[in-house]
Amino acid sequence: AQSVTQPDIHITVSEGASLELRCNYSYGATPYLFWYVQSPGQGLQLLLKYFSGDTLVQGIKGFEAEFKRSQSSFNLRKPSVHWSDAAEYFCAVSPSSGSARQLTFGSGTQLTVLP
Amino acid sequence: DTAVSQTPKYLVTQMGNDKSIKCEQNLGHDTMYWYKQDSKKFLKIMFSYNNKELIINETVPNRFSPKSPDKAHLNLHINSLELGDSAVYFCASSYEQPNTEAFFGQGTRLTVV
Repeated sequence: AQSVTQPDIHITVSEGASLELRCNYSYGATPYLFWYVQSPGQGLQLLLKYFSGDTLVQGIKGFEAEFKRSQSSFNLRKPSVHWSDAAEYFCAVSPSSGSARQLTFGSGTQLTVLP
Repeated sequence: DTAVSQTPKYLVTQMGNDKSIKCEQNLGHDTMYWYKQDSKKFLKIMFSYNNKELIINETVPNRFSPKSPDKAHLNLHINSLELGDSAVYFCASSYEQPNTEAFFGQGTRLTVV
C-alpha cells in the first residue's frame, strides 16, 4: 500500500525567505505526485503535479517541486515566501497505473509566515 | 463558474438528525469523491463513484451514503448524526483514467452538537 509522510507538522518562515516543505512517499513503483494547498476556510487547490518526465515541476503561485526517485521524495520549494502563502500544504500520491480515486494524502504541513 | 461546488459551507445540527450535503461539478468529470478531514487535518477518502461502480472505504459507517442523481452530482447523506461525525467534508471530481488530478470543492464544515 502506498503512504505519504510529511515530517514537518508546522513550519514558520519570515516573509521573503525561501521555503522547502518535505514529502516522502512509500510505493513499489514511481507514483503520481501532487501538492495541494488549503488556505484558511478554503478548499484544496492543486499547486503542482508530477506524472513523468522532467523531475523538476513548476506550479502556480511561484512554487516548484523536485521528484527524487532515489530518496522517494517530492519536496516543495518557493524562493521567496509571501504572507498570502500561509496555509496548510498537503502532499499526495496515487499509483501510476491508477486514477485519482486512489489518491493518498500526507498529514499536512502548516506554514506560518512572519512579517 | 466554480468547478466543484458544495452546499452548505457550514452545517450545525443536533445528534440523531439526518442531513445531506450537496456537490456539483461542471468539469465534465466522470468520477466523484467524498473525503473527510478530521480535527487534525487528516484527509481520508470515504467514497469514490462513477457510473460504473461505487467504492466505499470499509471504515465508513453505513450511516453515510452517497447518492448520485447524475454524472455531475454526488450528494452525501448522513443518518443518525453522532458527535464524532463533526469534521470538514470535501467533495472532489476527476476523470477515471491515469494522468489526471482531482479537483476539490470548498468543503462543508459539519458540527454536531
